[in-house]
Amino acid sequence: NAGVTQTPKFQVLKTGQSMTLQCAQDMNHEYMSWYRQDPGMGLRLIHYSVGAGITDQGEVPNGYNVSRSTTEDFPLRLLSAAPSQTSVYFCASSLGQGSFGNTIYFGEGSWLTVV
Amino acid sequence: KQEVTQIPAALSVPEGENLVLNCSFTDSAIYNLQWFRQDPGKGLTSLLLIQSSQREQTSGRLNASLDKSSGRSTLYIAASQPGDSATYLCAVDNAGNNRKLIWGLGTSLAVNP
Repeated sequence: NAGVTQTPKFQVLKTGQSMTLQCAQDMNHEYMSWYRQDPGMGLRLIHYSVGAGITDQGEVPNGYNVSRSTTEDFPLRLLSAAPSQTSVYFCASSLGQGSFGNTIYFGEGSWLTVV
Repeated sequence: KQEVTQIPAALSVPEGENLVLNCSFTDSAIYNLQWFRQDPGKGLTSLLLIQSSQREQTSGRLNASLDKSSGRSTLYIAASQPGDSATYLCAVDNAGNNRKLIWGLGTSLAVNP
């Protein structure tokens, strides 16, 4: 059981380039989300999905797109990278949220530097 | 608006000491509260999940309590070890927040041999 798998682990981008961070989970979780973690600001939610075909915005969605065509995969796309998007990105999944809340599983993180 | 605070931001203790990490939240209408551990350069690992109807959860040397009325949770670590050194974060699943967790900034713990 691999859990939550993120790729790549490290990436350097030039300003204006686009890229996709991949996230896959093998636990049949409905709820998936993407966070960025910056020093002094904690974890901030970028986008989330409550099931295949359903996505919604979090706190800091600008500059990012997501899609959820399958239960397993939840890729995060940077449309035109900016230095402000230099951060560590985490994908997370859980069986449910809210009143059905369950343990949340995180990927190992993707370190992104935009120059 | 729900806010989550963790105090202290950093803590350094000698090995073997029992310690308490604090997490406070401003809105008691929560579904659950979860404690996580994060090692440097790694993702987060869930330690304990406390549902709103529960008062505490235990796992090995860890015990987490929840007092919704006072907006507080504590993570108790017994007989601390150098391997416990990490950052500990709490997150609240807020009933009025459309399935978005509210995170504290964490407590960075160093256990010295």
